[in-house]
Amino acid sequence: DTGVSQDPRHKITKRGQNVTFRCDPISEHNRLYWYRQTLGQGPEFLTYFQNEAQLEKSRLLSDRFSAERPKGSFSTLEIQRTEQGDSAMYLCASSFDGRGTDTQYFGPGTRLTVL
Amino acid sequence: AQSVAQPEDQVNVAEGNPLTVKCTYSVSGNPYLFWYVQYPNRGLQFLLKYITGDNLVKGSYGFEAEFNKSQTSFHLKKPSALVSDSALYFCAVSPGGYNKLIFGAGTRLAVHP
Repeated sequence: DTGVSQDPRHKITKRGQNVTFRCDPISEHNRLYWYRQTLGQGPEFLTYFQNEAQLEKSRLLSDRFSAERPKGSFSTLEIQRTEQGDSAMYLCASSFDGRGTDTQYFGPGTRLTVL
Repeated sequence: AQSVAQPEDQVNVAEGNPLTVKCTYSVSGNPYLFWYVQYPNRGLQFLLKYITGDNLVKGSYGFEAEFNKSQTSFHLKKPSALVSDSALYFCAVSPGGYNKLIFGAGTRLAVHP
């Protein structure tokens, strides 16, 4: 068990370009979450999946953002037509929805810089 | 609105002294409360959580937290601070316990030798 992994760790892009991030959860975890963290703030929830179903989306997730988890394993987060305000750390977390309250374990994050 | 407040941006403590990092919350229903720590260039690491039961919860690296329902607080504590404890600490609440986490803004802990 190597924990939650995210790729890439850093991404620099120009305004207007599309970017895609990948998250690989801990292997037996059926829940996967995406958060965004800007400098000096705590992470903010974006969306989460149980298996392949996307169960909740924050209003922060504008129509330029889309997330998928096609086979209930890894997930991708795509941002279309990036804006400078999208610059942030994008964090992925996973958990196992078993007995009791699940604990979310976080990956190292993908730092996005939009020029 | 559901929220978490960490009233101190930074806490300074001398090595060997006890430390407290404060957290208060506002959430409907029974709160599920968490503490995470973030080291530079690393992801959030889980420290401990409160679900139900004993108000004093013990976690990783000698940390503990005390749940106080009447004061809606969940302060993080450690009897003897280490320089290696210096990091950014986040308190979080999960309304209902099975979905998103709502985080505070974080408190930077600086432990001086």
